[in-house]
Amino acid sequence: DAGVIQSPRHEVTEMGQEVTLRCKPISGHNSLFWYRQTMMRGLELLIYFNNNVPIDDSGMPEDRFSAKMPNASFSTLKIQPSEPRDSAVYFCASSAGLAFSYEQYFGPGTRLTVT
Amino acid sequence: QQQVKQSPQSLIVQKGGISIINCAYENTAFDYFPWYQQFPGKGPALLIAIRPDVSEKKEGRFTISFNKSAKQFSLHIMDSQPGDSATYFCAASTVAAGNKLTFGGGTRVLVKP
Repeated sequence: DAGVIQSPRHEVTEMGQEVTLRCKPISGHNSLFWYRQTMMRGLELLIYFNNNVPIDDSGMPEDRFSAKMPNASFSTLKIQPSEPRDSAVYFCASSAGLAFSYEQYFGPGTRLTVT
Repeated sequence: QQQVKQSPQSLIVQKGGISIINCAYENTAFDYFPWYQQFPGKGPALLIAIRPDVSEKKEGRFTISFNKSAKQFSLHIMDSQPGDSATYFCAASTVAAGNKLTFGGGTRVLVKP
């Protein structure tokens, strides 16, 4: 079975450019999470959706970051304009529900480098 | 404010030894404590989890010990193997917050053959 799919796996862009990260959750999962991982700050939850609706975006660092989930099988995380401090690995995860007992399945991540 | 503090940052253990990773939390509302394992180039994967109604949970060579009064929990990896070399993250959430996890800073474990 396919797990969480993320694209691209690597992205290198210049400061000021728009970056779009994509995620396809596991089929049948109705909750989706976006995380950012850096050496300094560890693994941080940015935003999560339930049934395509954003539930909590308190972790989104600034207005430059936005996330959408237009349907149950696709989500995007957009950074506009990008800055060098946005360089990190971005993970998408999905789960079958929001209850704590539902395991979150992580994708392989997108390594973003902003020069 | 770091709500889940994890130590040590890195750990080297000989094959067959015991790896011990500790986490401390501040929010007394936390009542679900999972551990995740992450290999290089991969996303984290759930390893084992515990609720505060038990003090210990064991799955194979992995054991979580939980001390509610001290607000601490730990992961013990018995008979450590080179394949266990990975980064381990503790996390916590509340039942009310459901799946909204707060992660510790991670521990990089290296098991030497």
